[in-house]
Amino acid sequence: EVQLVESGGGLVKPGRSLRLSCIASGFIFGDYHMSWFRQAPGRGPEWVGFIRSKVYGATTDYAASVKGRFTISRDDSKSFLYLEMNSLKTEDTAVYYCTRGGGYGIDVWGQGTTVTVSS
Amino acid sequence: DIVMTQSPLSLPVTPGEPARISCRSSQSLLRSNGYNYLDWYVQKPGQSPQLLIYLGSNRASGVPDRFSGSGSGTAFTLKISRVEAEDVGVYYCMQGQQTPYTFGQGTKLEIK
Repeated sequence: EVQLVESGGGLVKPGRSLRLSCIASGFIFGDYHMSWFRQAPGRGPEWVGFIRSKVYGATTDYAASVKGRFTISRDDSKSFLYLEMNSLKTEDTAVYYCTRGGGYGIDVWGQGTTVTVSS
Repeated sequence: DIVMTQSPLSLPVTPGEPARISCRSSQSLLRSNGYNYLDWYVQKPGQSPQLLIYLGSNRASGVPDRFSGSGSGTAFTLKISRVEAEDVGVYYCMQGQQTPYTFGQGTKLEIK
């Protein structure tokens, strides 16, 4: 079964850091671009950023709201996707989804992990 | 950024009746390869979003054929030929033409 499982969410104070992890199973992880989305309470989904597959240089792209603070990385040997979040703000509070794909056809979504930024 | 505008925002439908959701983009989503970089997703209550339609008109794996997507350029439509109770949720269009990828506001489909 194709599956993505996120972990690492929690309550964190503004200005602090948090790292989210996502383990993939049921497909060849290294063959795919991978993305992170988030959804604030009562809002629609928002694209956070993505990392291309190694064939495409594993390059990254980010939403303006997180650029310079968030970093996406991947470990294809372990089928892991990461989201390193620094200088967190209250407006980063959301459910964060690990997803398969980039650009179109985001066909696999994890169950999400909740990040709450509050003092 | 490309702005995505959906209508209606609320859609009450009687089971067995058709439903239609419109999505417009502020820029063309048609690339020179002939594909429109427009997806449709549904988020059912308490669940993660799930892919329905990709590249404008292609049904994702496992999606019933009563769902169809059409349109090109800046105007797109999601049609449900006969709504069922399990179709309740919020429907989003998303453009993948350029980053940042952006979503419409969402259309909440409810059963009358």
